[in-house]
Amino acid sequence: GENVEQHPSTLSVQEGDSAVIKCTYSDSASNYFPWYKQELGKRPQLIIDIRSNVGEKKDQRIAVTLNKTAKHFSLHITETQPEDSAVYFCAASIRRRDDKIIFGKGTRLHILP
Amino acid sequence: DTGVSQDPRHKITKRGQNVTFRCDPISEHNRLYWYRQTLGQGPEFLTYFQNEAQLEKSRLLSDRFSAERPKGSFSTLEIQRTEQGDSAMYLCASSQTGIGSPLHFGNGTRLTVT
Repeated sequence: GENVEQHPSTLSVQEGDSAVIKCTYSDSASNYFPWYKQELGKRPQLIIDIRSNVGEKKDQRIAVTLNKTAKHFSLHITETQPEDSAVYFCAASIRRRDDKIIFGKGTRLHILP
Repeated sequence: DTGVSQDPRHKITKRGQNVTFRCDPISEHNRLYWYRQTLGQGPEFLTYFQNEAQLEKSRLLSDRFSAERPKGSFSTLEIQRTEQGDSAMYLCASSQTGIGSPLHFGNGTRLTVT
């Protein structure tokens, strides 16, 4: 079936430390993997995305890595700050379904002072 | 702000009533998605459109749910004979067509069925 699994569901890290969130996908033909951040009461916002032709992408303190063979991708946040506290969703395109986007269940990230 | 807009922001209805939500996508976006989100969960795919064509409707969605995008611009999502389990945030998102086109979400319509 089509699904995206995301772990962990909750993550607490000390301010300044790194956070890693992992996702796996089922469709081997998936070729686009965005990550969204959702703050309480707000809409999901794209923070970074990666296409299947690259293995890693960085944007300041955030990076995403992709392992197509294993069908998993990860979000890395370094030097975490209080404003990083939010729910993060990974997503993947389903190639066999005209590239529709499906989401993981989310990771609630708490940055501890 | 010329982003995705949804109306209404909140809807409270009694069980058994019909409700209709509207989404206006970003004007140059030809893809439009509807998702449902409950507390603590990720957006659950409901249906999506390429221009006016409905490409897919989730198998998990009952026949009480229907969506249209008659002119390839705005879209409506109707829920007939609402049930308490329909209470959720209904999110609309739009994008351009093509690999790697990011979704832009609206603020959602929060439905409460009493």
